[in-house]
Amino acid sequence: AQKITQTQPGMFVQEKEAVTLDCTYDTSDPSYGLFWYKQPSSGEMIFLIYQGSYDQQNATEGRYSLNFQKARKSANLVISASQLGDSAMYFCAGTNNAGNMLTFGGGTRLMVKP
Amino acid sequence: DTAVSQTPKYLVTQMGNDKSIKCEQNLGHDTMYWYKQDSKKFLKIMFSYNNKELIINETVPNRFSPKSPDKAHLNLHINSLELGDSAVYFCASSQETGNDEQYFGPGTRLTVT
Repeated sequence: AQKITQTQPGMFVQEKEAVTLDCTYDTSDPSYGLFWYKQPSSGEMIFLIYQGSYDQQNATEGRYSLNFQKARKSANLVISASQLGDSAMYFCAGTNNAGNMLTFGGGTRLMVKP
Repeated sequence: DTAVSQTPKYLVTQMGNDKSIKCEQNLGHDTMYWYKQDSKKFLKIMFSYNNKELIINETVPNRFSPKSPDKAHLNLHINSLELGDSAVYFCASSQETGNDEQYFGPGTRLTVT
């Protein structure tokens, strides 16, 4: 099974700056997926980005990119040009070999300062 | 169009009662899930169904019983509610039991008094 660790309970970033949210994972499965979700104060879970364990390139989706370092078992989320609307909880999650369940990290609360 | 919907959005009830939360997805997905998010925002898988069949039950008490009448619906019934059941419950779905994005419903905030 996956174990996901997010070591930053809360972070501040200045508007328009880039920010990196840390995520490390621990699994012995040969195949797995890593995800990032955003949860604003309204409570919904919004999918941001996905990285497969066999993907050669780091995933990117608009202002979001995933810095995948397999040897270090890290999957950090990079948000470029932060916006006030980026203030939210961010969850890193991973799937197991069968891909049939998501294991979540404890989350990081990001606060963007104007 | 709502992809994954849950009803009700808020549910306040007393200890000992039985309640149900409904979930429907119109994405044509084969797999549906229930997650529980506690007061500290920690999210944990409860159940996973694929084509109406249970494939994951993560040591959830027997008081929780999921039911999938068809692959577009996965309802959660909870018997004899306890204070510790207070949480936000999220339904989600994905195309397959692979490494596919899971689409989440809006959540149901359950408060047990």
